[in-house]
Amino acid sequence: NAGVTQTPKFQVLKTGQSMTLQCAQDMNHNSMYWYRQDPGMGLRLIYYSASEGTTDKGEVPNGYNVSRLNKREFSLRLESAAPSQTSVYFCAVRGAGGTYNEQFFGPGTRLTVL
Amino acid sequence: QKEVEQNSGPLSVPEGAIASLNCTYSDRGSQSFFWYRQYSGKSPELIMFIYSNGDKEDGRFTAQLNKASQYVSLLIRDSQPSDSATYLCAVNMEGSYIPTFGRGTSLIVHP
Repeated sequence: NAGVTQTPKFQVLKTGQSMTLQCAQDMNHNSMYWYRQDPGMGLRLIYYSASEGTTDKGEVPNGYNVSRLNKREFSLRLESAAPSQTSVYFCAVRGAGGTYNEQFFGPGTRLTVL
Repeated sequence: QKEVEQNSGPLSVPEGAIASLNCTYSDRGSQSFFWYRQYSGKSPELIMFIYSNGDKEDGRFTAQLNKASQYVSLLIRDSQPSDSATYLCAVNMEGSYIPTFGRGTSLIVHP
């Protein structure tokens, strides 16, 4: 039972390159989230998906797109990477039942854009 | 803009002391409050949540909520070096189940 997994763990891109960050969960929960974390800025919501087939913008969606491929997977795409997108990206899953208000985080992807 | 504010620290306390971490929020209608711990290079993990005014205790941790003053705090008793981490306050604003996170307070517990 891995919970929430993210790939890759580390990535270096050049300005203008594209890439997709992958997130998968084995918790069978509906809501999934993408955050970025920058020094001194806390966690900021990029996009979220309340259920399979739906996605919504968060606080900082510009420069990103998402796909909720199925209940398990939620991917984040950078079409044309910029240095301002250098950050640590976390995928999270909202709990259900007794943990419905808890966010379970993946291990993160550390992205550097040169 | 609905906000959650924390002092970034670092807060430095000696081993065995009580560490007190504070958080204020702007939305008076907020209903749910959380404390996440994040070790350096790791992802956040939930350690406490509180929904009602007053204190909630779990082991060495106590969360305190005062809705009238719009603040929530986390007390860590008998602090240990292993408690050294960044503590993130998160608040579900009125009508939302998505938490707004503060910037975090760095805690250092020195032997």
